[in-house]
Amino acid sequence: DVKVTQSSRYLVKRTGEKVFLECVQDMDHENMFWYRQDPGLGLRLIYFSYDVKMKEKGDIPEGYSVSREKKERFSLILESASTNQTSMYLCASSRVGGLGYTFGSGTRLTVV
Amino acid sequence: AQRVTQPEKLLSVFKGAPVELKCNYSYSGSPELFWYVQYSRQRLQLLLRHISRESIKGFTADLNKGETSFHLKKPFAQEEDSAMYYCALSGFRGAGGTSYGKLTFGQGTILTVHP
Repeated sequence: DVKVTQSSRYLVKRTGEKVFLECVQDMDHENMFWYRQDPGLGLRLIYFSYDVKMKEKGDIPEGYSVSREKKERFSLILESASTNQTSMYLCASSRVGGLGYTFGSGTRLTVV
Repeated sequence: AQRVTQPEKLLSVFKGAPVELKCNYSYSGSPELFWYVQYSRQRLQLLLRHISRESIKGFTADLNKGETSFHLKKPFAQEEDSAMYYCALSGFRGAGGTSYGKLTFGQGTILTVHP
């Protein structure tokens, strides 16, 4: 019954590494989103995409990039990981004009 | 700019007591408001949305445009209600009024219901 799948539940990476977080949805949703979740800060939008090859910056895009080559897959890329990117990363999808997201289970990334 | 504020990081009540989780928003247009919940070791999920005017698991929330609030209420809290709750707002509109569904979340409130 899983509809939004994030490839890794836990990741540990070294400072300066290039990191890929993958997200796949099977609901044919047009919109996909990447958030990071931090205690006391809630969820903050990093990037979102409303179509294949389309992307828009969210509130905190610095240090991140994204890729959406296929409708069902939305990748978050940390070009050069830093310790302040240690966080829980949540992927979500939604339908155009639809209300409410379907979330993945999250990837807890630790950068050491 | 749109903003969502949840003033309480932590809220503790006893089983059977009423509970209210506060949410205030800032948005110049006509917002769509949501409550999301995350139970321990589970993914974030939609609890309710204001346009549906529904009651889920005994929770209700009324949009008060005058006070720009969307507080979540339940008359009798249960232990299984213990979770993280997020209030969220969607106000983003693309060309032609299409909603891309971009949500702005509040900081979250951890609700603990004691036996």
